[in-house]
Amino acid sequence: SQQGEEDPQALSIQEGENATMNCSYKTSINNLQWYRQNSGRGLVHLILIRSNEREKHSGRLRVTLDTSKKSSSLLITASRAADTASYFCATDPPASGGSYIPTFGRGTSLIVHP
Amino acid sequence: KAGVTQTPRYLIKTRGQQVTLSCSPISGHRSVSWYQQTPGQGLQFLFEYFSETQRNKGNFPGRFSGRQFSNSRSEMNVSTLELGDSALYLCASSLGQGREKLFFGSGTQLSVL
Repeated sequence: SQQGEEDPQALSIQEGENATMNCSYKTSINNLQWYRQNSGRGLVHLILIRSNEREKHSGRLRVTLDTSKKSSSLLITASRAADTASYFCATDPPASGGSYIPTFGRGTSLIVHP
Repeated sequence: KAGVTQTPRYLIKTRGQQVTLSCSPISGHRSVSWYQQTPGQGLQFLFEYFSETQRNKGNFPGRFSGRQFSNSRSEMNVSTLELGDSALYLCASSLGQGREKLFFGSGTQLSVL
């Protein structure tokens, strides 16, 4: 089963608009990461936010984390056609033996129209 | 620094055959994880190797196996292929110290006919 689930499954916007994606998870976490995947390629790490942080910025990206609601959001401001990709959140729930297995959701597919 | 390299990029096999996929991690990275990605299931964790030892294993049948060599390169093997094994197989490397970002390869697209 998926630990994190992204919402919406798909998002279609015009260039210049902002895009917001959400991630909900089930168990406590140590950190949450967002990744991006261009069609048929590997994932690229975007940003990591720790459980004791509420907000983090990186360029046009803004990530928030609400541990009380077990949710995170990724905001891409002033989107560009090149932002077209799938976006995944990854959480690190406790695993057997205290080891770390990043668990991914099914992703949000973002299309930015020029 | 070279990124994570996966070979081959594409592979076509028939049911019942076996397949071996290769992953070379970033230099200095000791942890290699494997994921299976399908449209319906998203990314599913297969296993993780650290210093030649399997450190974690996902919920996959025994037909899926792997190993890691002393130079941290890793191979994944799937025996007795089934149609449902068609997927993008992704390898990711990290330093292996836990709770850090993963660096992914471009994946091997496996099609089972």
